[in-house]
Formats: sequence, structure tokens, C-alpha cells
Amino acid sequence: QITLKESGPTLVKPTQTLTLTCTFSGFSLTTNGVGVGWIRQPPGKALQWLALIFWDDDQRYSPSLKGRLTITKDTSKTQVVLTMTNMDPVDTATYYCAHLTSDTRGYSTAFDMWGQGTMVTVSS
Amino acid sequence: DIQLTQSPSFLSASVGDRVTITCRASQGISSYLAWYQQKPGKAPKLLIYAASTLQSGVPSRFSGSGSGTEFTLTVSALQPEDFATYYCQQLNSYPPTYTFGQGTKVEIE
Repeated sequence: QITLKESGPTLVKPTQTLTLTCTFSGFSLTTNGVGVGWIRQPPGKALQWLALIFWDDDQRYSPSLKGRLTITKDTSKTQVVLTMTNMDPVDTATYYCAHLTSDTRGYSTAFDMWGQGTMVTVSS
Repeated sequence: DIQLTQSPSFLSASVGDRVTITCRASQGISSYLAWYQQKPGKAPKLLIYAASTLQSGVPSRFSGSGSGTEFTLTVSALQPEDFATYYCQQLNSYPPTYTFGQGTKVEIE
């Protein structure tokens, strides 16, 4: 059974750096085709994909946020960490991590399991 | 960047109705499209992947079709638990982005 859980601060100040941790179980981030992604959702708004890290440490970022994001993995701790610099009130959102699955050819197919999400508010 | 446009953004329907949501991509994405259902205060739930493959455990009243730039999600007979917001997502490998559509909210008429 795959589970994921996000953790991190609930409140950060503008200009600070946000660090979120996704702790997962039920799969290995060394398995070919597997990835873990981060997605956020501002209150009342749509989902926004942020970043993704694959089993082979390949990293992908949303072009609109690329310069502010870093995603890393700690395979032994079964964790994925997302850092976002220079936080602004517009970054207030629920942040989700999710398991990315792939087909037999190795092409990504969907985020099939999600964490419960963690709400982050950016305010002074 | 590949953009996804869902239509309609809002849909009012009754229990038992057949409902169709469209997702259009700004460039061809083959069949690398997924559909999710999200209820208030909950994480999204995967319904369909690879444009038309039903995720395990998802009721068969949900179906997906399309390829290239135009995709549809159909609910054959809407049930009370289907009132939610639906999102499409593209997972095209080049450029490697994983954009979501803006969502379609399905409400009770």
C-alpha cells in the first residue's frame, strides 16, 4: 500500500525559504519509472504542478517557478524534499506530494497516489 | 509550454445525467493525459490515465477518450458522489512538464 505524507511549516514570512518534506512508504524511489512530484493548490484555485524527481535523480521543474525550486530525494529515508525560495503571499496554498507511475515503456502516466496535503500560509 | 483548456469550467447537472468534459491541449500530447476528481478539502483522486484507461477501483460509469489535442471525460450516469471538480493533466515527455487544466466544477442542478 502506497502512502505519502507532507510535512513542513504552516506559516512562513515573505522572502523566506520554504522547505517541505514528503515521507512515503509502499514503494521504492529506485524502481525504474517511478517518481515523486509536488503539486500545489491556492485556496479556491486550480492545481499547479511544481516539480518532479525520478528514480534516476532526473529532476523536472515548472518553467514558471524553475529558479525558485529545488527537489531532492533521500532514498534511504524514503523522503523527497522540496525547497522554494523567496516566498510571497501568492504562494499561499495547499502543497501535495504524489507518486508518479509509468507504463511498461517507462513513460509517465499519472499521479496515482497523493498525500493529504499541507496548508502553507505566507504572511508577515 | 503546453497549455490545457477545459470546458466547461462549470457544469450544473442532475443525478442520472450523462456528462461530458472536454480538455484541449495547445499541442499534441499523444495519449499522455490523466483525469482526476477532487472533492472539497480532499486530495485529488486518479480516475483515468493514458487518456482512456480506467484506474483500478474507479466505477465503470467513468470513461475517457481522445488523443493528440482533444480529450473527453464522460460520466454515463451521474451519481450523488460524483459532484466534484475534475481536472485533466498532461504528462508529455517533451517538453517535460505536467500541466493541469483549470478544472471543471460539476454541481447539482
